[in-house]
Amino acid sequence: QKEVEQNSGPLSVPEGAIASLNCTYSDRGSQSFFWYRQYSGKSPELIMSIYSNGDKEDGRFTAQLNKASQYVSLLIRDSQPSDSATYLCAVNVNAVGYSTLTFGKGTMLLVSP
Amino acid sequence: DAMVIQNPRYQVTQFGKPVTLSCSQTLNHNVMYWYQQKSSQAPKLLFHYYDKDFNNEADTPDNFQSRRPNTSFCFLDIRSPGLGDAAMYLCATSRGHEQYFGPGTRLTVT
Repeated sequence: QKEVEQNSGPLSVPEGAIASLNCTYSDRGSQSFFWYRQYSGKSPELIMSIYSNGDKEDGRFTAQLNKASQYVSLLIRDSQPSDSATYLCAVNVNAVGYSTLTFGKGTMLLVSP
Repeated sequence: DAMVIQNPRYQVTQFGKPVTLSCSQTLNHNVMYWYQQKSSQAPKLLFHYYDKDFNNEADTPDNFQSRRPNTSFCFLDIRSPGLGDAAMYLCATSRGHEQYFGPGTRLTVT
């Protein structure tokens, strides 16, 4: 059974700090990895995708992937109160041209002013 | 702006009364998905369409059905809603691997 595990949090960081969110997955055949941000009562919003080992940076966000360790992480630099949300890790095992995602339950991030 | 639209945003139905949720997209994506998300839980994939090909998840209850009459529209039918079906229902679309979600429909069952 495909599983994606995340610490539920909350992870509390002060404004301006680096927030580090972690995710592990069980299926070694997983092909692609995604981070979604979900504000309370809203739908998930895609913020990062990563397909190969290493780091991928986009603005204040950096996704890190280590397939050998079955581990993916998201770093948020210069955290802002508006970053306070639940961050969902999602993993795709499809090798075809589209994804079917298994989501973790998410980590709640709280950024205090 | 290209987008994924869900209607209605809030739906109240009675126990056992059929309900239909709709999703439309202007992205011209060939894959459409339906997820169920309950409070503090992960979104759970119910089924998806790759073009006209329907793919049902093994553990999706028979009570849930879907229709995709054309590329732009997809419907979720709940034939006899139970109290346990109260949740946020999320529609998503993709062309490649990245999925984009609509705003969701919050379903309440009384």
